[in-house]
Amino acid sequence: AQKVTQAQTEISVVEKEDVTLDCVYETRDTTYYLFWYKQPPSGELVFLIRRNSFDEQNEISGRYSWNFQKSTSSFNFTITASQVVDSAVYFCALSTIGGGSNYKLTFGKGTLLTVNP
Amino acid sequence: DVKVTQSSRYLVKRTGEKVFLECVQDMDHENMFWYRQDPGLGLRLIYFSYDVKMKEKGDIPEGYSVSREKKERFSLILESASTNQTSMYLCASSSDRGGYEQYFGPGTRLTVT
Repeated sequence: AQKVTQAQTEISVVEKEDVTLDCVYETRDTTYYLFWYKQPPSGELVFLIRRNSFDEQNEISGRYSWNFQKSTSSFNFTITASQVVDSAVYFCALSTIGGGSNYKLTFGKGTLLTVNP
Repeated sequence: DVKVTQSSRYLVKRTGEKVFLECVQDMDHENMFWYRQDPGLGLRLIYFSYDVKMKEKGDIPEGYSVSREKKERFSLILESASTNQTSMYLCASSSDRGGYEQYFGPGTRLTVT
């Protein structure tokens, strides 16, 4: 069975602080994808990134960066110089690579990030 | 851009009513999903479909059914709505040809009174 754990239920920071959202996953599969989604107050989940289990390179996109470490089964998300617009619920998710039922994503319960001005 | 639309943003129904939630995607995606989202419980998968007329139960299918007669449309049916089905319902779609990322609609907030 797959499992995604986001231990931080809520995080509150002041604007311009850096913040890291933790994600730890469990899977018996050797090939899988990891994802991060953002759900702003408007409610629609927005896809941010996908990483393949073959590729442990860290990724940076503007103020966002992701640290994938297979050895610790973690896929952490860092926002540098946070802004009020970053306030949202962030979800980490996992999917096995394959067909049929493997298209399902297993989501963590989410971390509510509040960035205060 | 992938677009997933849901028939209603807000819906209020009475206990015992039959409720239809419609979802349409315009990117020729093979897979479609229905979730419900409740505070503290995260996203829970109700049903999904990886092909037309194919469906599979998710984690919480009880009290729900689905229909997928056309590739672009996936309907969630509450046969007899109950107050414990008051929730945010999210539809998503994904492609077999990509990396399985799901694209979500804006959600339907359903209240059953």
